[in-house]
Amino acid sequence: DQQVKQNSPSLSVQEGRISILNCDYTNSMFDYFLWYKKYPAEGPTFLISISSIKDKNEDGRFTVFLNKSAKHLSLHIVPSQPGDSAVYFCAASGAGGGADGLTFGKGTHLIIQP
Amino acid sequence: GAGVSQSPSNKVTEKGKDVELRCDPISGHTALYWYRQSLGQGLEFLIYFQGNSAPDKSGLPSDRFSAERTGGSVSTLTIQRTQQEDSAVYLCASSLGRSQPQHFGDGTRLSIL
Repeated sequence: DQQVKQNSPSLSVQEGRISILNCDYTNSMFDYFLWYKKYPAEGPTFLISISSIKDKNEDGRFTVFLNKSAKHLSLHIVPSQPGDSAVYFCAASGAGGGADGLTFGKGTHLIIQP
Repeated sequence: GAGVSQSPSNKVTEKGKDVELRCDPISGHTALYWYRQSLGQGLEFLIYFQGNSAPDKSGLPSDRFSAERTGGSVSTLTIQRTQQEDSAVYLCASSLGRSQPQHFGDGTRLSIL
């Protein structure tokens, strides 16, 4: 059973507009959330993270929002640029037992159209 | 560079052979992780090393999989008697510790014929 879900396999956004990527989780023990960006044949690149004690974290064009009651987080990219075209993974950790391995969603392929 | 380094980048081997994958983490990172990504799937956690503590092996799919981390730095992931379902990209990551971002290498693409 998937504990981290990204329900949109792909998303197409016009250059200059806002991209909003969504992620839902089921395990209430998760306390640290991250977004990664991945190009083909490369490893995931860390973008931004958020602790469960916060509801928003911002870094340049990237903002992550966390809604703990809904077990939902989102990544906003504004303005979207052509180089943002990639697969974006949502990940979470802290599910008890001292384990620190990340649980990943299956990714959303973001396509920025000129 | 200063990033996580993995070798080889590609490995093709016959079913039944053993393979060894190497990871060199970012200097100073005490935590090291192995993941794999099978075709069409998300990343799957395999094993976690933190300092000198016993590793968390909870994600290893079978006893054919093992990993070591020597001297708190370089790690090797060994797969014995490889099967076709072991074909995947194996990714290594390191971090400064718990609730710190994990930084990934570019992975080893393993193909079992």
